[in-house]
Amino acid sequence: KAGVTQTPRYLIKTRGQQVTLSCSPISGHRSVSWYQQTPGQGLQFLFEYFSETQRNKGNFPGRFSGRQFSNSRSEMNVSTLELGDSALYLCASSFSDRSHEKLFFGSGTQLSVL
Amino acid sequence: AQSVAQPEDQVNVAEGNPLTVKCTYSVSGNPYLFWYVQYPNRGLQFLLKYITGDNLVKGSYGFEAEFNKSQTSFHLKKPSALVSDSALYFCAVRDMDTGRRALTFGSGTRLQVQP
Repeated sequence: KAGVTQTPRYLIKTRGQQVTLSCSPISGHRSVSWYQQTPGQGLQFLFEYFSETQRNKGNFPGRFSGRQFSNSRSEMNVSTLELGDSALYLCASSFSDRSHEKLFFGSGTQLSVL
Repeated sequence: AQSVAQPEDQVNVAEGNPLTVKCTYSVSGNPYLFWYVQYPNRGLQFLLKYITGDNLVKGSYGFEAEFNKSQTSFHLKKPSALVSDSALYFCAVRDMDTGRRALTFGSGTRLQVQP
């Protein structure tokens, strides 16, 4: 069974641009979460989608948005990029939205904002 | 609010020796606790979790963790470290009573196992 796939693996953008990251969860998984990882702030929760509905949202500005499609694939969009948005963006999936379920993480998209 | 503390940025241990990576948590309700490991240029991999029941949880690659409710701790342990265990380890918590699904992670502990 294929794991969580994130594309692209690396991305370089300049300030003010926007970016879209993609995540394909494990087949059969309906929950997709996004996390931002930086050396200074560690791992921070962005949002979670389950069956195309946003279920939870972290403390990030409105420039960060996401969506989930009917096939459970998810995209994350960041508009008006800032230098501080440089980070590893991790997507994780799980079969259900039950709280005890473990997450399966992708390898991430490394975003560099110049 | 829920939080996780990993007091050690780095733990150094010799191969073959036992290792412990410390984690303490804070939640308003009852916790679900997780350990994940991250290798260079990779995402996080699940090691083990505590939901309820036996306080000693066994996980992947010979790792185990002990849940201590009175000390609000969930330390990761392994009886005999391998060089290949060198990686970044994260403890995480969810509050099972709030229904909030977001995992709160600790800051991570880098484990260095010397040959």
